[in-house]
Amino acid sequence: DAGVTQSPTHLIKTRGQHVTLRCSPISGHKSVSWYQQVLGQGPQFIFQYYEKEERGRGNFPDRFSARQFPNYSSELNVNALLLGDSALYLCASSPAAGQRIKPQHFGDGTRLSIL
Amino acid sequence: DQQVKQNSPSLSVQEGRISILNCDYTNSMFDYFLWYKKYPAEGPTFLISISSIKDKNEDGRFTVFLNKSAKHLSLHIVPSQPGDSAVYFCAASEGSGNTPLVFGKGTRLSVIA
Repeated sequence: DAGVTQSPTHLIKTRGQHVTLRCSPISGHKSVSWYQQVLGQGPQFIFQYYEKEERGRGNFPDRFSARQFPNYSSELNVNALLLGDSALYLCASSPAAGQRIKPQHFGDGTRLSIL
Repeated sequence: DQQVKQNSPSLSVQEGRISILNCDYTNSMFDYFLWYKKYPAEGPTFLISISSIKDKNEDGRFTVFLNKSAKHLSLHIVPSQPGDSAVYFCAASEGSGNTPLVFGKGTRLSVIA
């Protein structure tokens, strides 16, 4: 079975631009979460979606938005990019909103660099 | 404020010996804990988890210990192998895993042959 897939793998943008990152969960997984990992830090929660509805949001500005599609894939959008948005963006999927039965499985991430 | 703390940024261990990675947490509502391993250019890979109703969980060479009164958990790897060299993240969740993961900053483990 394919794991969590993310695209693109690398992206370079300039300040003020916007970006869309994409994630396809493991087949059968209905919950998708997004995390931001800045160099030297652990991943930090941005959003969780389950059955196309937002189930949680981390402490990120409104420039960050996301959505989940009927096939459970997801997009993360970031507007008005800042230098501080440079990070590895990770997508994780799990069968349900909770992960008591199974943990979240992560993709390899999108490395976003802001110039 | 950091709710999950991994106070050792790095750890070096000889091949065959035991690796012990430590993690402390401050939120008493956390009741589900996980360890992830991360290689460069890859996403975190789930290793092992433990619920707060247990104090130990074992999976092959990996054992996680939970001390709720001290709000401390540790990951033991025995015996350590060079392929274990990676960054290890401790993560925690509330509500039996129904809330997003809160991660520590990670510990870089180097296993020396």
